[in-house]
Amino acid sequence: QVQLQESGPGLVKPSQTLSLTCTVSGGSISSGSYSWTWIRQPAGKGLEWLGRIYTSGSANYNPSLNSRVAMSVDTSKNQFSLKLSSVTAADTAVYYCATSSVGSGYTWGQGTLVTVSS
Amino acid sequence: QSVLTQPPSASGTPGQRITISCSGSSSNIGSNSVYWYQQLPGTAPQLLIFRNSQRPSGVPDRFSGSKSGISASLAISGLRSEDEADYYCATWDDSLSGYVVFGGGTKLTVL
Repeated sequence: QVQLQESGPGLVKPSQTLSLTCTVSGGSISSGSYSWTWIRQPAGKGLEWLGRIYTSGSANYNPSLNSRVAMSVDTSKNQFSLKLSSVTAADTAVYYCATSSVGSGYTWGQGTLVTVSS
Repeated sequence: QSVLTQPPSASGTPGQRITISCSGSSSNIGSNSVYWYQQLPGTAPQLLIFRNSQRPSGVPDRFSGSKSGISASLAISGLRSEDEADYYCATWDDSLSGYVVFGGGTKLTVL
């Protein structure tokens, strides 16, 4: 069973770039047709899908964030990453990484809180 | 404003059966599978239902999902206190370049 663990700064200043990494354990990030996904949840609010990437490099992003978000995969480290630029307080949230194969639903990491504040 | 519409709250007493609805459109629920996630307080969401009505191993058969047209439902029978959680529906939306959309979530209270 694949396990996921998010890591990165818990505090980011406004206008800067938020960077998070998700480390995959219990399996290879290169095996099978899995998508590697980021989802966030502001405190007391619902879930927002940020985007997904495949190890081929192909990616889909949420249209509401398209110009600010970028994802990448590092197969040598069994990790994938999220970058969100020009952050504001509205980007303060718990950020989850997740994975799924076609039709299987998501397996989630435990989440990491990122606060945007000066 | 979420693309998928769920009631913000639901409630029931132990042993009761409740349903949570999820309404969308032809570009999302109408043409793609629906997934349901349970989020217990302070924890990450967990998969409850996949491909509209399938249960992952370990999920009790008290939980069931269905889909018809542009709507989906999650039913919980034999309600238990540990079912008190937030429930989210999700699916792929074919509009623009395609992306995953979630419902706004339903907070279930077991009275």
